[in-house]
Amino acid sequence: AQSVAQPEDQVNVAEGNPLTVKCTYSVSGNPYLFWYVQYPNRGLQFLLKYITGDNLVKGSYGFEAEFNKSQTSFHLKKPSALVSDSALYFCAVSVYNQGGKLIFGQGTELSVKP
Amino acid sequence: GAGVSQSPSNKVTEKGKDVELRCDPISGHTALYWYRQSLGQGLEFLIYFQGNSAPDKSGLPSDRFSAERTGGSVSTLTIQRTQQEDSAVYLCASSLAGATDTQYFGPGTRLTVL
Repeated sequence: AQSVAQPEDQVNVAEGNPLTVKCTYSVSGNPYLFWYVQYPNRGLQFLLKYITGDNLVKGSYGFEAEFNKSQTSFHLKKPSALVSDSALYFCAVSVYNQGGKLIFGQGTELSVKP
Repeated sequence: GAGVSQSPSNKVTEKGKDVELRCDPISGHTALYWYRQSLGQGLEFLIYFQGNSAPDKSGLPSDRFSAERTGGSVSTLTIQRTQQEDSAVYLCASSLAGATDTQYFGPGTRLTVL
């Protein structure tokens, strides 16, 4: 069965410092990987995705993520965190020939303090 | 352009009553998804519509849940004989087509079953 794990329920970072939100996955077949962000009382907003090609993908708001096939990981990173980055982050995977349904991780609460 | 819209934004109902939740996808998107977000279960896939194909209902938690998509556009998720465990935020998403396409989410409907 497909699954996604976000090992940290919460990540705390000081403003200006780099941030990493971790994600690992388990799928049978080629994975398509996504990161979404959710602000309080809002829907999910798309940040970035990996489909194929370059393992480093860049997305909205200065975020990037690196696909690592051997470690089955897709960690989200940003070189310099902003207080406004504080939100709930979800990693998700879909698999070719299984439609587009997303399997989500449990989410990581990112808190950036000034 | 217009994003995914959902109505109502909030719904409070009594146990045992039926409810209908509506989703208007982005124009031109052939794929439509329903997910449920709850504290205990995280983000769960419910059902997926792709064009004129039979929907993928593999995520529906019980036969009290059903959904339809009329004219390839608007979708309605119906929950019959609601239970307290149905309380959650129901999210709708749409995408151009399949597994590699970005899903864009609506703001959700918060359902509370008393």
